[in-house]
Amino acid sequence: DAKTTQPPSMDCAEGRAANLPCNHSTISGNEYVYWYRQIHSQGPQYIIHGLKNNETNEMASLIITEDRKSSTLILPHATLRDTAVYYCIVRVAASDMRFGAGTRLTVKP
Amino acid sequence: EAEVAQSPRYKITEKSQAVAFWCDPISGHATLYWYRQILGQGPELLVQFQDESVVDDSQLPKDRFSAERLKGVDSTLKIQPAELGDSAMYLCASSSGLLAIDTQYFGPGTRLTVL
Repeated sequence: DAKTTQPPSMDCAEGRAANLPCNHSTISGNEYVYWYRQIHSQGPQYIIHGLKNNETNEMASLIITEDRKSSTLILPHATLRDTAVYYCIVRVAASDMRFGAGTRLTVKP
Repeated sequence: EAEVAQSPRYKITEKSQAVAFWCDPISGHATLYWYRQILGQGPELLVQFQDESVVDDSQLPKDRFSAERLKGVDSTLKIQPAELGDSAMYLCASSSGLLAIDTQYFGPGTRLTVL
């Protein structure tokens, strides 16, 4: 079973920031938080990961709370191409990839 | 940017036939994974290789599924005989190592339809 909880769906207006929450209240000290997304009929795409500190790359920002029990993925300027299912995964090893149902993000014009 | 390659992208077969999927991981990645994703669900791990050795195949239905990575590079997943319930997306992923910091990168997948 996945060790994370995500809302099943969210909407976002094009050009606005999309903030996707993830709850991982049982995370342990050596587990990383990873985010992937899956656009319809494609393989999951890696977005970003972090351990304790906030992280930013060209795709998104990851904000992890100080107690590490939750995190937020931020897409700063959502486009229609960001419509996808977003998965939050916590893992202690590369193979420890337990996908939940994810959040279906719909970006609307 | 290096990518995981998979073929074919789509496969339609009749039940009781044999099917095979191919995966070429990112160059230099020692760890390779095969996943199955049923429509509407997240991917589930079938088998994991470290170089040419199987590390975990506990979720692989071994009566009909087999996987190999003979030279520790590309890999083949086979189903024989295919059943209606095998209709799914089959995904291959690779990572440079086994640590939590080692990111898995996925291929585009093979969509299997069993008639």
